[in-house]
Amino acid sequence: GAVVSQHPSWVICKSGTSVKIECRSLDFQATTMFWYRQFPKQSLMLMATSNEGSKATYEQGVEKDKFLINHASLTLSTLTVTSAHPEDSSFYICSAQTGALYEQYFGPGTRLTVT
Amino acid sequence: ELKVEQNPLFLSMQEGKNYTIYCNYSTTSDRLYWYRQDPGKSLESLFVLLSNGAVKQEGRLMASLDTKARLSTLHITAAVHDLSATYFCAVVSNFGNEKLTFGTGTRLTIIP
Repeated sequence: GAVVSQHPSWVICKSGTSVKIECRSLDFQATTMFWYRQFPKQSLMLMATSNEGSKATYEQGVEKDKFLINHASLTLSTLTVTSAHPEDSSFYICSAQTGALYEQYFGPGTRLTVT
Repeated sequence: ELKVEQNPLFLSMQEGKNYTIYCNYSTTSDRLYWYRQDPGKSLESLFVLLSNGAVKQEGRLMASLDTKARLSTLHITAAVHDLSATYFCAVVSNFGNEKLTFGTGTRLTIIP
């Protein structure tokens, strides 16, 4: 149980284009999902908290107009990287929260390369 | 601001040896998690520690929590090559908010 999927698993795009990443909870409903970014050989940094039916809460330093988050349903959150640049190349990981202990279950990640 | 530090950052050890990874955090917390990450992969949950003195064990890994010292340890017993990975601790800063703050990570390499 508590499986989270991400799509796509990897994507290569050209500078200036936009990319959408989907995060789905497959066997549970998640009011809250989280988006993280991980640069090579570094830790995970929280980008934003995504709440179903309301606006996402962004961490300090994360541009909300660049990283658009939509939590359209209790099983789906999307992250759109707008006008991507090479410095946005990273490993993006989502998590979905459930259970009495509010545990986070992590997706397999999406590797974004911007050329 | 909650800060989470791990040490060492890198650890190379021989098979069969024992070692400990340390995780220090700066403010009170409700719970602490340990995760494993293999290269190019996402996170695998290892342990969740909920209270002072909590100890959990799974195979060759054992985690403990001292909330008074704001310290958690991940102990590796008789290391085997399959344990080579990066290990992260993560701390929840506020119950209900449930934001995780991750440690810096410890890259563990087990040498045959």
